[in-house]
Amino acid sequence: KQEVTQIPAALSVPEGENLVLNCSFTDSAIYNLQWFRQDPGKGLTSLLLIQSSQREQTSGRLNASLDKSSGRSTLYIAASQPGDSATYLCAVRIGAGGTSYGKLTFGQGTILTVHP
Amino acid sequence: DAGVIQSPRHEVTEMGQEVTLRCKPISGHDYLFWYRQTMMRGLELLIYFNNNVPIDDSGMPEDRFSAKMPNASFSTLKIQPSEPRDSAVYFCASGRRTEAFFGQGTRLTVV
Repeated sequence: KQEVTQIPAALSVPEGENLVLNCSFTDSAIYNLQWFRQDPGKGLTSLLLIQSSQREQTSGRLNASLDKSSGRSTLYIAASQPGDSATYLCAVRIGAGGTSYGKLTFGQGTILTVHP
Repeated sequence: DAGVIQSPRHEVTEMGQEVTLRCKPISGHDYLFWYRQTMMRGLELLIYFNNNVPIDDSGMPEDRFSAKMPNASFSTLKIQPSEPRDSAVYFCASGRRTEAFFGQGTRLTVV
């Protein structure tokens, strides 16, 4: 059974800092990995999606890396801003032999607070 | 596209009552997922459909929970009878095999 763990559970940083959120998964037979952002009382917004054959994806100040063999992904946020405050969720989509089975398994999330 | 639409956004009901949550997926998506989010357990997959057919319902907690997808543009999650421990945020998501888009969720409170 796939298990996804995120560290740290919570993080509080001053504005402007670069930070790293960690995600690990137990079964390396993944199809892709997706990072989401969730604001309080809201749904999930997709930030980045990395295919199993890729090493990283970038979008603006966000960079996500994937090391499938070691079962790890990191989300790097550069020059953090108060507007980045939210819960960040990592999710893996299982698959084998190039077939995606569709469903996502989520980590518990990292609650990020960026204070001015 | 308006995205995944869920209704109602909030539901407060008394224990023992039937609750029906509704979801309209994004047009053209062939996968639909129902998730439940609680503080204790995080996001849990309840059931997912492919082309309106239930593929995996192993996450449905009890027989009190049922889900249907009568057509490609509508799905329901029903709880009957509801219990206080069912209180959570229920999310619907739709997508193709490789990506999922989430609705805003329904916050259910059972008193």
